[in-house]
Amino acid sequence: GDSVTQTEGQVALSEEDFLTIHCNYSASGYPALFWYVQYPGEGPQFLFRASRDKEKGSSRGFEATYDKGTTSFHLRKASVQESDSAVYYCALGGHSNNRIFFGDGTQLVVKP
Amino acid sequence: DMKVTQMPRYLIKRMGENVLLECGQDMSHETMYWYRQDPGLGLQLIYISYDVDSNSEGDIPKGYRVSRKKREHFSLILDSAKTNQTSVYFCASRWGDYAEQFFGPGTRLTVL
Repeated sequence: GDSVTQTEGQVALSEEDFLTIHCNYSASGYPALFWYVQYPGEGPQFLFRASRDKEKGSSRGFEATYDKGTTSFHLRKASVQESDSAVYYCALGGHSNNRIFFGDGTQLVVKP
Repeated sequence: DMKVTQMPRYLIKRMGENVLLECGQDMSHETMYWYRQDPGLGLQLIYISYDVDSNSEGDIPKGYRVSRKKREHFSLILDSAKTNQTSVYFCASRWGDYAEQFFGPGTRLTVL
């Protein structure tokens, strides 16, 4: 069945560090891939999506490129800020009757 | 204004009491969802609704039921709440298979 794997449970960085959060998926065809961010006490918020091979999604300095060859959609940001501290979820959709499959989430902690 | 609302935001109930969580959206989205989120467990799908009176079980439906009598409103009901249903509950909606989900702010339910 469809699934998403996020490798890192937690990432700790200092401000201005480069961020990578790994996301790999398992699904047939071309699912839509999403990144969401969740701040404490709030619901997840949509960051961006991609739905074709080699398509890049981006928002607020974050970006990810859909790679069907490696079944990946890794989240990157060149220079993180303390305000980026949150939980980041990779998700897959476009299949399976409107269901969305979420990864387990990655807690990002950015120290000033 | 594109928004998902949830009421109440906080709720404390005793074991065995009935619980009603309400969700509304102002975007005329056909598809709506109920999730629960426990520490370290990410988002677990309880129910999905494809439109009025068209609901389907998610991954953890046991102990829950739903009602959708109007497109903009989706309720989650716990008949005889249990302590292990203490959690944060999120409602979400979306308009299509490749579209993003809009999440509500969540309801923090404590069952004593």
